[in-house]
Amino acid sequence: AQSVTQLGSHVSVSEGALVLLRCNYSSSVPPYLFWYVQYPNQGLQLLLKYTTGATLVKGINGFEAEFKKSETSFHLTKPSAHMSDAAEYFCAVRRINDYKLSFGAGTTVTVRA
Amino acid sequence: KAGVTQTPRYLIKTRGQQVTLSCSPISGHRSVSWYQQTPGQGLQFLFEYFSETQRNKGNFPGRFSGRQFSNSRSEMNVSTLELGDSALYLCASGPLSAGGPTGELFFGEGSRLTVL
Repeated sequence: AQSVTQLGSHVSVSEGALVLLRCNYSSSVPPYLFWYVQYPNQGLQLLLKYTTGATLVKGINGFEAEFKKSETSFHLTKPSAHMSDAAEYFCAVRRINDYKLSFGAGTTVTVRA
Repeated sequence: KAGVTQTPRYLIKTRGQQVTLSCSPISGHRSVSWYQQTPGQGLQFLFEYFSETQRNKGNFPGRFSGRQFSNSRSEMNVSTLELGDSALYLCASGPLSAGGPTGELFFGEGSRLTVL
């Protein structure tokens, strides 16, 4: 079974500061990896995904993530936080040829003015 | 292109009742999945349908069921509701390439169920 660990259930950053959200996965075979964002009372919106190819992937809203197979990690970063980045972020994995997503517990980001 | 549509968005039921939630996937998507989101358990996979067949099922009791129609629309049903069934139920649809699913899942805004 696959599992996803997000370190830190809550992250607080100042506007303009770096945002770093950590995600580690356990899988015998490199899976597909995703980061989703959820704003209050809304569904999940895809930020970015890694399937194959380049290990540094860029997503929407200035976010990017790097897949490191040796560390089984897929950390999400944004160089400069904006107030609109306040939301809950979920890391997710799925096996190749399987639509079932396994999610991490989520990290709530608060942005201080 | 319209996104994933879920109805109703909010509903309140009492213990013992049953509820049916509906999901219309993105046009052309044939896979529909359902997830339950609660503060305590997070996001948990319920089931996934493709071409009217359930392909995957999560670890939920038999009170939770679903189906998919020939137009890919899906419904999920929860019978004999319990207080713990209060949650946000999310539907997601995905494209399918010839070699299997390679894309991401697209989520609807969810149906928030409150059981009193």
